[in-house]
Amino acid sequence: AQRVTQPEKLLSVFKGAPVELKCNYSYSGSPELFWYVQYSRQRLQLLLRHISRESIKGFTADLNKGETSFHLKKPFAQEEDSAMYYCALQTGANNLFFGTGTRLTVIP
Amino acid sequence: EADIYQTPRYLVIGTGKKITLECSQTMGHDKMYWYQQDPGMELHLIHYSYGVNSTEKGDLSSESTVSRIRTEHFPLTLESARPSHTSQYLCASSDTGRHNEQFFGPGTRLTVL
Repeated sequence: AQRVTQPEKLLSVFKGAPVELKCNYSYSGSPELFWYVQYSRQRLQLLLRHISRESIKGFTADLNKGETSFHLKKPFAQEEDSAMYYCALQTGANNLFFGTGTRLTVIP
Repeated sequence: EADIYQTPRYLVIGTGKKITLECSQTMGHDKMYWYQQDPGMELHLIHYSYGVNSTEKGDLSSESTVSRIRTEHFPLTLESARPSHTSQYLCASSDTGRHNEQFFGPGTRLTVL
């Protein structure tokens, strides 16, 4: 069965410090992974998807099939990065399975 | 403007009442979804639809039902609300095909007393 694990419910970092939000998955098929973000009083929205290999708002995420991980990283955190981050796995049926989320707080 | 709408945003209702949560999108998307999220927990897919007259149950069993009579409309109904149905319900839509972004509505926070 598929599963997405985000081990940290809360993560606080200082402005300018590197940040890494962890995501591990289990899935027998070929994984397609996404990071969604929800800023305060805004809707859940896509941040990035692994297939695009893109950097969005300074964030990157590399799919590591050996470690079954898709950690989200940013070298220098900004206050506006404070939000709830969800890792999501897309299955063959095109449906998304979400992790429990990590609330990131960037301390000024 | 292309968007996805949910009404009501908040609903407090007594046990046993029938409720319908509305979801409409003007994105032109074929696929629509309903998620349920308890505080601090994952979003769980409870229903999805690939198009008109297509509805499927998601990975989380739910007593709710859905219908898809029009492409843009995907309402969720609870025939008899119970306190265990208290949760946040999120509607989303996407284009068909893989790798496609899901666009989420603002959510409905339901409280059943």
